[in-house]
Order: sequence, then structure tokens, then C-alpha cells
Amino acid sequence: QQQVKQSPQSLIVQKGGISIINCAYENTAFDYFPWYQQFPGKGPALLIAIRPDVSEKKEGRFTISFNKSAKQFSLHIMDSQPGDSATYFCAATNDYKLSFGAGTTVTVRA
Amino acid sequence: DAGVTQSPTHLIKTRGQQVTLRCSPKSGHDTVSWYQQALGQGPQFIFQYYEEEERQRGNFPDRFSGHQFPNYSSELNVNALLLGDSALYLCASSLVREQFFGPGTRLTVL
Repeated sequence: QQQVKQSPQSLIVQKGGISIINCAYENTAFDYFPWYQQFPGKGPALLIAIRPDVSEKKEGRFTISFNKSAKQFSLHIMDSQPGDSATYFCAATNDYKLSFGAGTTVTVRA
Repeated sequence: DAGVTQSPTHLIKTRGQQVTLRCSPKSGHDTVSWYQQALGQGPQFIFQYYEEEERQRGNFPDRFSGHQFPNYSSELNVNALLLGDSALYLCASSLVREQFFGPGTRLTVL
């Protein structure tokens, strides 16, 4: 039973465009929501994280939007670059165990 | 400052064999978590070690066991290997909430 549902499975965006990845969760006890970026053959790298008392957090070209009432959160990648082509995972936790979404493969076309 | 390191990088075993994977956490981190990532899926939590004890465990059989040493490094042991154990095994270290992942060990079971 997947605790975090992620969509879309893959997306293609033009260089300079905006990539949007959505996640939904059921467990209202979750209190920490990180996003990870993973390149082929590498481990996931922490990108940005948010707590449910904040509706939006921005770090550089990456923004998390959080909707507590809808139990949804999303990652926006602004001004997408070819180097952003990777798989992105949302995750959630309320203790020590991270529950991951299934991942979104982002391809940025030059 | 070295990040999380894992060894070996790749490993090939046959069904029924036993395997030991190793992890050194990021400097200053005292907690180590292990995850299994099957091809095309998000990481799945195996267990977490803190103060040399297993603090939390995911939905994995007893064939999966671990250990944490006084220097905070950790081992993951898998007995009686099955074909389905083929995956990327990730180690993550943390001090508080943020978990930082190593590059992983690719295990192939033939």
C-alpha cells in the first residue's frame, strides 16, 4: 500500500519551461515532506523540503507548494535546464521512515 | 567532507547465498537508514539504526538484518538470497530529519 502517490510518471518539457510534479498523501500524521533528485546510477539527492505549517517554499529554481487541507504537495521546476533531466521523488514522514512516491522522470529538451 | 559512502559498488550473488553491504555515514551523523530500490520504483525503507540498535523496521523479512558500530558505520546483511532481492540498496545518514543518501550498492541475484 503506497502511502504517497506521485504523478505524472514521466514528463517532457522544453528548455526554459516549467516542470510540475504532484504528490498526494493520506496519513495526516506526516509532518515533513522532502523532494529528492536522482540521476541514473546515483543515490537520491535531497533537493528541498517543507513542513505542513508552510504553504510554499522556494530555493533557487525549485518551489514546493503545500496544500494541507487537500493533503497534496507539488514541486515546480522553473526555467528547466537539460541538466535537470532526472527522476524526482516526493517523500513524507512523521518519524524516521521516509515513504517515497513512485517517481517522475523529467526530460528537458534543449 | 566526505558524504555517505557505500561498498561495494556492485555485487553479483546466486540464490541462497548471503551478502553483507557496508555504509559509512556523513561526518557528524549518528543515524543510518537502509532502503531497497527496485528498478523503476521509489526506495522502500528496510530499517534504521541509532545508538547501535534497530530503532524502526519496515516490511521486510527477518532475512534482512543489520548492525551499527560505535563509529556509526553500518552493515546490512541479507541471508538466503532470492531473485527478487536484486535491487539498488541505499544507505542514508541523518542527524535530525534530513536524510542524505549514498550512491548505493547494486545487488544482482542470479
